[in-house]
Amino acid sequence: GAVVSQHPSWVICKSGTSVKIECRSLDFQATTMFWYRQFPKQSLMLMATSNEGSKATYEQGVEKDKFLINHASLTLSTLTVTSAHPEDSSFYICSASFLNYGYTFGSGTRLTVV
Amino acid sequence: SQQGEEDPQALSIQEGENATMNCSYKTSINNLQWYRQNSGRGLVHLILIRSNEREKHSGRLRVTLDTSKKSSSLLITASRAADTASYFCATDINTGGFKTIFGAGTRLFVKA
Repeated sequence: GAVVSQHPSWVICKSGTSVKIECRSLDFQATTMFWYRQFPKQSLMLMATSNEGSKATYEQGVEKDKFLINHASLTLSTLTVTSAHPEDSSFYICSASFLNYGYTFGSGTRLTVV
Repeated sequence: SQQGEEDPQALSIQEGENATMNCSYKTSINNLQWYRQNSGRGLVHLILIRSNEREKHSGRLRVTLDTSKKSSSLLITASRAADTASYFCATDINTGGFKTIFGAGTRLFVKA
């Protein structure tokens, strides 16, 4: 079946630094990738949708200059949290889709900003 | 939540009992999915039901969909302690492009 690899699974960084999270589709071409954020005991909130080769579409309230998304190839999307602050600490999950024929989720990245 | 609500927010039952979780959504959908998430982990896809389907079964899981009421339910029969997790419904909506929106989730605790 379709597999999405997300890396790293957890990361601790200092306040003010940037962190990059990768999401790779291993055995299919992901025409669309989605990035979600999940705070403790809350649901997944869609942050942005990215289509290969085009700019990401951000949900209302999500700062595009803070959460940089790159989807330069059909198998890789990256989310960079720039100038991270403690309030950015969260669980970030990507999902990938091929022409909207189902979605496969990565295993998530737990980001802790200290 | 971005799309809808789930109830109950939390559910505690004894092993062997059935657990029912409900999900309501706001907009027209193409399909609805149920996911499971163990604490601090990724999502596990449980079942997908299309907008033209009313009921679907998978093992101990039974999902219903009522598009007229914009609601769905997930029934877990003969629950086990290992079923303890958070359960989310998610809907695929088309807003010029497809995206998956999650409900608030139900935290299920099954006592052994």
